[in-house]
Amino acid sequence: GAGVSQSPRYKVAKRGQDVALRCDPISGHVSLFWYQQALGQGPEFLTYFQNEAQLDKSGLPSDRFFAERPEGSVSTLKIQRTQQEDSAVYLCASSKSRDSHYGYTFGSGTRLTVV
Amino acid sequence: QKEVEQNSGPLSVPEGAIASLNCTYSDRVSQSFFWYRQYSGKSPELIMSIYSNGDKEDGRFTAQLNKASQYVSLLIRDSQPSDSATYLCAVITGFQKLVFGTGTRLLVSP
Repeated sequence: GAGVSQSPRYKVAKRGQDVALRCDPISGHVSLFWYQQALGQGPEFLTYFQNEAQLDKSGLPSDRFFAERPEGSVSTLKIQRTQQEDSAVYLCASSKSRDSHYGYTFGSGTRLTVV
Repeated sequence: QKEVEQNSGPLSVPEGAIASLNCTYSDRVSQSFFWYRQYSGKSPELIMSIYSNGDKEDGRFTAQLNKASQYVSLLIRDSQPSDSATYLCAVITGFQKLVFGTGTRLLVSP
């Protein structure tokens, strides 16, 4: 596609509910990144894929967070048993390069509110 | 110490003035540096990248890099109200991922 597409744009979840956030990167982009952005803060790294391989998941806050990219294209970020502190904007980004040398293109994000 | 530090602002400048945004980073091996603009409620948009010491100009924007001082800046000439946004400095660390600062909020008044 022309840009990075994320869905849903907004998600309200009750505490304890599981959620799945989808990212469709720019066609042909090898690298895919997930970031979490709390209000008034910069994006914080969560995890990184190169094709289908998850090369870095050091930023995932807990084992309730899980990400996959099984065919090297679309990625899903899953959060189990959501907590109020999970409320944030979740940003997906992709890059045509195998490293981050050229920067990333971000999607519009998914705003998650846990009530 | 945070890996990338920015003054959160707000930085207020009148229309037509030069806005100067600053950023310091801690990882000496960093080689690639970026400025993103983020409007309220929107996602970050890449506006400048810089890889070597000195200045890089693109239209009204100039990025400046000083690796010895671990310092990156962004100058916006002839600031417009439409430049009002949060500007995020980002640095590639040794682990090949972008690390962002908290952003500086810029307000350009007509």
